[in-house]
Order: sequence, then structure tokens, then C-alpha cells
Amino acid sequence: DVKVTQSSRYLVKRTGEKVFLECVQDMDHENMFWYRQDPGLGLRLIYFSYDVKMKEKGDIPEGYSVSREKKERFSLILESASTNQTSMYLCASNGGAASYEQYFGPGTRLTVT
Amino acid sequence: GDSVTQMEGPVTLSEEAFLTINCTYTATGYPSLFWYVQYPGEGLQLLLKATKADDKGSNKGFEATYRKETTSFHLEKGSVQVSDSAVYFCALLYGGATNKLIFGTGTLLAVQP
Repeated sequence: DVKVTQSSRYLVKRTGEKVFLECVQDMDHENMFWYRQDPGLGLRLIYFSYDVKMKEKGDIPEGYSVSREKKERFSLILESASTNQTSMYLCASNGGAASYEQYFGPGTRLTVT
Repeated sequence: GDSVTQMEGPVTLSEEAFLTINCTYTATGYPSLFWYVQYPGEGLQLLLKATKADDKGSNKGFEATYRKETTSFHLEKGSVQVSDSAVYFCALLYGGATNKLIFGTGTLLAVQP
């Protein structure tokens, strides 16, 4: 059974803190993605990675960075959290050019106070 | 640029009612189209897909037909159940080797017994 796991379901952080969101997949997928989900806006792509140490900006990368040191793990970093980054964060992966389906983790609901 | 527009929710139906959730898209070329579903407290999962014009995707009683002439991919189900209550996202494949998806804003479906 395919699996994408995220380190926390709920997270509360203070403004200005550095925040790490971790995502791990066990399917040996090349591609991994970070989205944020907000009511009325759907899912918006923050960053994606198509290989270890490779990354590309998505539609809303400002205020975020990512790290992919190992194929199975993709981290999203908020260098200095702000209240407008309060959101649901979803990680996904897929297997490359021949694979359409993205597999999603359960999400991390981040609240920045 | 490429985009997806889906009907606003919430959609509230009684059990066994007929469901239609409208989705239209704007894209260069001929994208693949998808419906994803997000059950309460979970990540997204692929419901069905269609990769070329006139294809019909189907799963769990849901269907959607890729209509190039109307640039639409409407989701239908003949008889909804309470367990179908979820948020439904229409998406198109952005293309290229990394398979980026562009999502609609999501439609909340609430089915009442």
C-alpha cells in the first residue's frame, strides 16, 4: 500500500519562528510536491522536486524554501513564520513522466500566532 | 495560462439524489484531466481521470467525460450516499516530465440522510 506521511497533523508556531515540515514517501518516487490549501483558493503549488537536491519554484514560493537530501524525504521550511502562512500544507509524490497520479499525505494544519 | 474553474459549493443533497459538479478548463494543447476527492481529515486521492478527448473516467459510481468542444469535465453520480460527503477537486495536468497539476478551488459536497 502506497504511503506518504507528514511529520505532524497539527502544528502551532509563533511569528518569526523557523518551521520545518517533513514529508516521507515509501514508493521510490522521483517527484515530490508541497502545496498549501486555503478555503476558496484550492491547492497552490509552493515548490516541487524532481530529483534529489533538485527543486523548482511553484506558484507561491515566497517565504518558503525546501530541501531534498534523500529521495524519500522532502522538507518544507518557513524561514520566519508569519500569520499569513497559517494554512493546511499537503505533500504529494509521483513516479515521473509516465505516472499521472499524485499520492498525497494527510496534511499538516499549521497555525502561526 | 492554464486554469481550472469549478462550481462553488457547498452542494447539499439528499441521499440517492443525482450529483453534478461542473468543471471547465483553459489550456494550451490537450491536457489530461482529473477529479480528486478529499474526505474529512484526509489528504487528496485520485477519483478518476481522462487523458484524451471523449474519454470517460469512472470509479465508485462517479463518471466524467472529457469534452474538448466545451472544454469541460463535469463530475456526475446517479445516486449519492452519505459516505460521498467530501471536497471534490478538478485538476489538469500541466505537462512536461514533472507532471505538475493545476487544481480548481474545490467543491464541498454534503449528503444528508
